[in-house]
Amino acid sequence: GAVVSQHPSRVICKSGTSVKIECRSLDFQATTMFWYRQFPKQSLMLMATSNEGSKATYEQGVEKDKFLINHASLTLSTLTVTSAHPEDSSFYICSAQDRVNEQFFGPGTRLTVL
Amino acid sequence: AQTVTQSQPEMSVQEAETVTLSCTYDTSENNYYLFWYKQPPSRQMILVIRQEAYKQQNATENRFSVNFQKAAKSFSLKISDSQLGDTAMYFCAFMRGSTLGRLYFGRGTQLTVWP
Repeated sequence: GAVVSQHPSRVICKSGTSVKIECRSLDFQATTMFWYRQFPKQSLMLMATSNEGSKATYEQGVEKDKFLINHASLTLSTLTVTSAHPEDSSFYICSAQDRVNEQFFGPGTRLTVL
Repeated sequence: AQTVTQSQPEMSVQEAETVTLSCTYDTSENNYYLFWYKQPPSRQMILVIRQEAYKQQNATENRFSVNFQKAAKSFSLKISDSQLGDTAMYFCAFMRGSTLGRLYFGRGTQLTVWP
């Protein structure tokens, strides 16, 4: 199947700093990517839909100024957690959708905010 | 809003046996898709099986099969001949046909396969 990568796999940052997470589709073009958040032993919660060349669509309750999403190309979407706080610590997962609507997940990024 | 309910937080099964994981969902849509995903300890999400709502025939992928009851809004996963590598968290997920790609997940069932 298609491969989606995320970078970094783990990041630790100080409270108040911003962190950028990259999601790349390595062998296909993804017009749409999705960002999820997963708390320990819990389900995945859809945060936003990222469309190439347009603004992201955020799910209800997700702060768009807090979680900035940019989908600058057909193979790259980035999630920037701005002014991170300890409550933003979580596992962030992206997925990429190909042209036949198959969806492939990245391996996730563990964010720890001190 | 769509909701997906998995009522079994944990299940266990002995190797080579069969186990069934339950999932129910609630929607007013008629066009939708249902999925089972597996998340092993590596945290990588892996698609196990997919079912289109308009198909009456239950989907099957090798040892994995579903029992899709549209009227009851039930979508259970049966794993036959369980293997140690099946140990993982299993998530049931729903996707509306009108917003392809947006997945809504249940809370998951942790399956442990014992030797």
